[in-house]
Amino acid sequence: EAGVVQSPRYKIIEKKQPVAFWCNPISGHNTLYWYRQNLGQGPELLIRYENEEAVDDSQLPKDRFSAERLKGVDSTLKIQPAELGDSAVYLCASSPPTGMNTEAFFGQGTRLTVV
Amino acid sequence: GDSVTQMEGPVTLSEEAFLTINCTYTATGYPSLFWYVQYPGEGLQLLLKATKADDKGSNKGFEATYRKETTSFHLEKGSVQVSDSAVYFCARLSGGFKTIFGAGTRLFVKA
Repeated sequence: EAGVVQSPRYKIIEKKQPVAFWCNPISGHNTLYWYRQNLGQGPELLIRYENEEAVDDSQLPKDRFSAERLKGVDSTLKIQPAELGDSAVYLCASSPPTGMNTEAFFGQGTRLTVV
Repeated sequence: GDSVTQMEGPVTLSEEAFLTINCTYTATGYPSLFWYVQYPGEGLQLLLKATKADDKGSNKGFEATYRKETTSFHLEKGSVQVSDSAVYFCARLSGGFKTIFGAGTRLFVKA
């Protein structure tokens, strides 16, 4: 079974430029998450989707970050414009429709460097 | 809010040594608890989990027991190998869906 697929693996951009990350969750997983992991820290949730609906985006900096999950499968996370402090690893995860208390399955992440 | 606290690293051990990485969580509700591992250059992988008090999660020689009375979920392994070198994250579920992670503990195992 294929895992969560993210692209690109690495991205280097200049500040003030836009950037987008893509995620393909595990087939059949209706819950999708975007996390951000700063260097030396644990991941922190940015947004959670149930199918195509964003049900928890309280930690998403909405002035510059946006996300979408059209058709309830793939998702994209965008930053526009990027700032130096956005340098981090962006992780996508998904979990199956078995209700609460189930673990999330993570992709390999996209390492973003803003210079 | 909900949180997870784990011991700071790095932890450096010789091969075949005993490993303990301490983890405590905020005691709101009865959350599922997890240990995730991140090997160099790879994504997060679930190592083990426990969903209720006194459950013991185990995998690849690692174990952790859900202790409600001490709100702890310490990770242990009796004999570590060089291949266990990685960053280990303790985590809990919040509200049934959101995973809250600790800061991670880096483990180095020397041959």
